[in-house]
Parts: sequence; C-alpha cells; structure tokens
Amino acid sequence: DTAVSQTPKYLVTQMGNDKSIKCEQNLGHDTMYWYKQDSKKFLKIMFSYNNKELIINETVPNRFSPKSPDKAHLNLHINSLELGDSAVYFCASSQEYWAGPADTQYFGPGTRLTVL
Amino acid sequence: AQTVTQSQPEMSVQEAETVTLSCTYDTSESDYYLFWYKQPPSRQMILVIRQEAYKQQNATENRFSVNFQKAAKSFSLKISDSQLGDAAMYFCAYRTPNNNNDMRFGAGTRLTVKP
Repeated sequence: DTAVSQTPKYLVTQMGNDKSIKCEQNLGHDTMYWYKQDSKKFLKIMFSYNNKELIINETVPNRFSPKSPDKAHLNLHINSLELGDSAVYFCASSQEYWAGPADTQYFGPGTRLTVL
Repeated sequence: AQTVTQSQPEMSVQEAETVTLSCTYDTSESDYYLFWYKQPPSRQMILVIRQEAYKQQNATENRFSVNFQKAAKSFSLKISDSQLGDAAMYFCAYRTPNNNNDMRFGAGTRLTVKP
C-alpha cells in the first residue's frame, strides 16, 4: 500500500553516465515534486509537475530533466553525472496544485545516488 | 536566504520524557502553512503535524503538539512521553503561498532518545 514509491533505493554509478530515477504515486494526486537532499541534510525543491505540466523549475542544471508520462509518474533523468550530484533524491506528491498552502506533500522513501 | 531556521542541530531526551524542538521562520505573508516532518534512518519523510497560520489553536497529534507563535514567527514541536521510535531527524517546513507552492525546509534537528 505504498503511497509514493521510488526506484531504485540506491544507485551507484560513474561520472559521465546517464541515469534515471522513477517515482510513482497511487494517491490520485495531481502534483508531483522532486527534491534534493545534500550531505548536510538540506532539502531543496528541484521540480514540480501539475497534471503532467512543469510548474517549478528551480535553478537546476539542464542535465536534469523530469519526465511525466502520466500524472501518477514523475521520473528524473540525469545526464553526464558529476560528483556533486551525489545526494538523496526525494519524490513527493500533493493532491492539488491550486489548493494553495493547505496541500500536504507526501514523500517517497528517497534514492541515494552516489557518483564515483 | 534561509526561510526556516532550526537552531538545534542535535537534541537528546530520556525515554518517557518531554522534548521541545525549536523552529523559526521568516515571511511577510499572513497566510501560510507550517509542517514538521520526521526522517528516521530509513530516510522516509513522514509528516508529523501541520499548522494553518490563520488558526490560533495549536495543532496536536497524539503525543505531538506545536507551540505556534505567529507574531514571533516561531513554531516549536513538543514530543511528550518520548519513545525510542521517535529517534530521527526532524525538519520544520514552511509552505509558500505564492504560485510556486513549494516547501522550504529547515536544516533539521537530530533527536536521540535514551532508554
């Protein structure tokens, strides 16, 4: 009965490689997000999608590209991985985008990406 | 600039005792929401409690309660009857009311529960 799931849980790869992280939510939510948590535990939003449409794109290198095939999925593709990309990436979802601040975000378990 | 500040990197509490985690935030908005999330070693981010800024009454969820001081922009979390399973990182978060609708997190407080 996992609400927000991510795969893989751990990802170890070499610099320069291209990798993807998948996210799925079964809550029927319209909005999904990607966050990055660095080694100091700071959580920063990267992207927000509402009904398959990109809403937020923070200052993220264009090597990162989110892809939403449908509103239940938001995948994160990373090209030409760099050492600084090592972090934990969290996917989250919320019910409605235009519900405003009332909307609670539900997080996935995270994916620990290690770039060697 | 950091919107949410958690001034306690680490806290410790004896099992069955009460602990309070501090959080302050900076905003010029009058309508917003505040959250406390718990992140155990499993890394899952779990919603603990949330507070609507327009509500004067402090939110409570079982052993978890908040002390929301809007004028002081303070939002502390009180955990009563602490249990070993409460040990985790706790993040305070502020939800922006603008069109971006994203969440801003504090740096986190690591809570240790001693048996």
